[in-house]
Amino acid sequence: EAAVTQSPRNKVTVTGGNVTLSCRQTNSHNYMYWYRQDTGHGLRLIHYSYGAGNLQIGDVPDGYKATRTTQEDFFLLLELASPSQTSLYFCASSDARGANSDYTFGSGTRLLVI
Amino acid sequence: DAKTTQPDSMESTEGETVHLPCSHATISGNEYIYWYRQVPLQGPEYVTHGLQQNTTNSMAFLAIASDRKSSTLILPHVSLRDAAVYHCIPLTGANTGKLTFGHGTILRVHP
Repeated sequence: EAAVTQSPRNKVTVTGGNVTLSCRQTNSHNYMYWYRQDTGHGLRLIHYSYGAGNLQIGDVPDGYKATRTTQEDFFLLLELASPSQTSLYFCASSDARGANSDYTFGSGTRLLVI
Repeated sequence: DAKTTQPDSMESTEGETVHLPCSHATISGNEYIYWYRQVPLQGPEYVTHGLQQNTTNSMAFLAIASDRKSSTLILPHVSLRDAAVYHCIPLTGANTGKLTFGHGTILRVHP
């Protein structure tokens, strides 16, 4: 079954720590996205990618790097984690440029920065 | 991007048919209307989408007004599993990745 799988499901790190969130999709989709969700803000786009080696900046990119190593794998990197990055992170994939294409979301990664 | 207006919340009882309205008066001709739903601590789930014609699938019926300034997501015979926040999202091809989730409508389903 086509899916988007995120790991880890939960992560705790200290301020200044280095964190990598992983996302793998088996949908054969070209597009992948990282969102964060916080109370009162809904989902906000961090970074996205059109394909392996491609990276596009989203709406809230500060403090985040991302890398798309293959069509299936998209990573979100927090090299100096801060408490403000405590959030619920979702990865998603889609198969076309926006319209007439549905997005498939992963189950999320809960990150706590203490 | 077109702005949308949805009621903050709606109440229903299991077995009822629920009509979730969305106003998108400034929608442009090339914007599709997407509906997603999300339960707490889970990723959003695609429900349906349409451009101009009404659409139907196993989850819902989407009724789009002839002027496209509003739409209604119709959920037949709701169950407790349909309790979620429902988001109406206009989307064009130029907005890849920019699924902008507002507050949506909280649908509560009572036994």
